[in-house]
Amino acid sequence: DAGITQSPRHKVTETGTPVTLRCHQTENHRYMYWYRQDPGHGLRLIHYSYGVKDTDKGEVSDGYSVSRSKTEDFLLTLESATSSQTSVYFCAISDSGGHQPQHFGDGTRLSIL
Amino acid sequence: KNEVEQSPQNLTAQEGEFITINCSYSVGISALHWLQQHPGGGIVSLFMLSSGKKKHGRLIATINIQEKHSSLHITASHPRDSAVYICAVRGGATNKLIFGTGTLLAVQP
Repeated sequence: DAGITQSPRHKVTETGTPVTLRCHQTENHRYMYWYRQDPGHGLRLIHYSYGVKDTDKGEVSDGYSVSRSKTEDFLLTLESATSSQTSVYFCAISDSGGHQPQHFGDGTRLSIL
Repeated sequence: KNEVEQSPQNLTAQEGEFITINCSYSVGISALHWLQQHPGGGIVSLFMLSSGKKKHGRLIATINIQEKHSSLHITASHPRDSAVYICAVRGGATNKLIFGTGTLLAVQP
């Protein structure tokens, strides 16, 4: 199995609080992605990174920010969580570009009350 | 209308049956992916294809670019094949991955 770990795996928090999700990889892959998965929708891209300190927005980036200070870590931050951000969040990695994630994390289930 | 449509949404099969899951898309693409998501959430990439057919074990994926259609076949299905199967295409206006909503497969012993 590819070395990709998401933390926490589950989190419950309140509206208005900041939340940070972490994706850690041991594969030394250049590209990292954050997706959210909601009922009735396919996975949707939030943000992605194509190298250390190089990030860009996906289709549902409003309310989210990311940082990548090291190859192995990609952080997703909800500055002020809202109930609409209740979702399952997946991190993915790839060693080739073109938005073709090769390995996915196990997901983080986030509930915002 | 979604750019990627899968059918059926839900499928129940008996162990040993031949299973087909379909994916149709409405945008120009450079590649199509099939993914598997098990209960508990982990997602595994099964295939990436841009033409023709690929086979891995009991799984076969085909794509018809002209018809904008792909199929995922499972031969001799087994209860451990029970999962959500997701189709995704790389293309459209952003050239990023566009995901279908998945097909929930349950294989009964």
